[in-house]
Amino acid sequence: NAGVTQTPKFRILKIGQSMTLQCTQDMNHNYMYWYRQDPGMGLKLIYYSVGAGITDKGEVPNGYNVSRSTTEDFPLRLELAAPSQTSVYFCASAVSGDDQETQYFGPGTRLLVL
Amino acid sequence: GQSLEQPSEVTAVEGAIVQINCTYQTSGFYGLSWYQQHDGGAPTFLSYNALDGLEETGRFSSFLSRSDSYGYLLLQELQMKDSASYFCAARRTGRRALTFGSGTRLQVQP
Repeated sequence: NAGVTQTPKFRILKIGQSMTLQCTQDMNHNYMYWYRQDPGMGLKLIYYSVGAGITDKGEVPNGYNVSRSTTEDFPLRLELAAPSQTSVYFCASAVSGDDQETQYFGPGTRLLVL
Repeated sequence: GQSLEQPSEVTAVEGAIVQINCTYQTSGFYGLSWYQQHDGGAPTFLSYNALDGLEETGRFSSFLSRSDSYGYLLLQELQMKDSASYFCAARRTGRRALTFGSGTRLQVQP
């Protein structure tokens, strides 16, 4: 199993550009999450999904959109990039029925908006 | 709202024991998790407590006191590779998402 994979690893965007951060997991996990992590800080939840077709907002959803058409994929869309969106983005997944809510993280996408 | 407080930095020497504290204010608190993150890496799960008491996993142990809204991660026999950031994260009842603290950077010195 590859686990949780994210592409791209690194991207530079100009202000106002848009892009999609890709996230795929091959563990058949129902739950998937998007976080952002600013330097020296903890993870802030952007959006999460409890299954295909179901998404919900986290703490910092403004400026982002998500969709979940399959169990495996959970892309994150930035429509109008702003410098405040410069961050490292982590995707994570978790299996339903796990009382511990153990989350498995992808390697992250480092985004720089100039 | 929700908040989790952790010390920002802790320094210890190889072979020693270190405790990283976490206090939380979380409505509908369900459980507390701990994650490790090396520089440039992804967070990885270490431990979880839903009930009061100590959970031991090898050199790492985690403790929870629900009445005090407090938990800690205990790292024994510190090794250089334990130098990393450690995050506590709270789970709320009925919500499949975690709220993370700001993290504690542990530096292990020879």
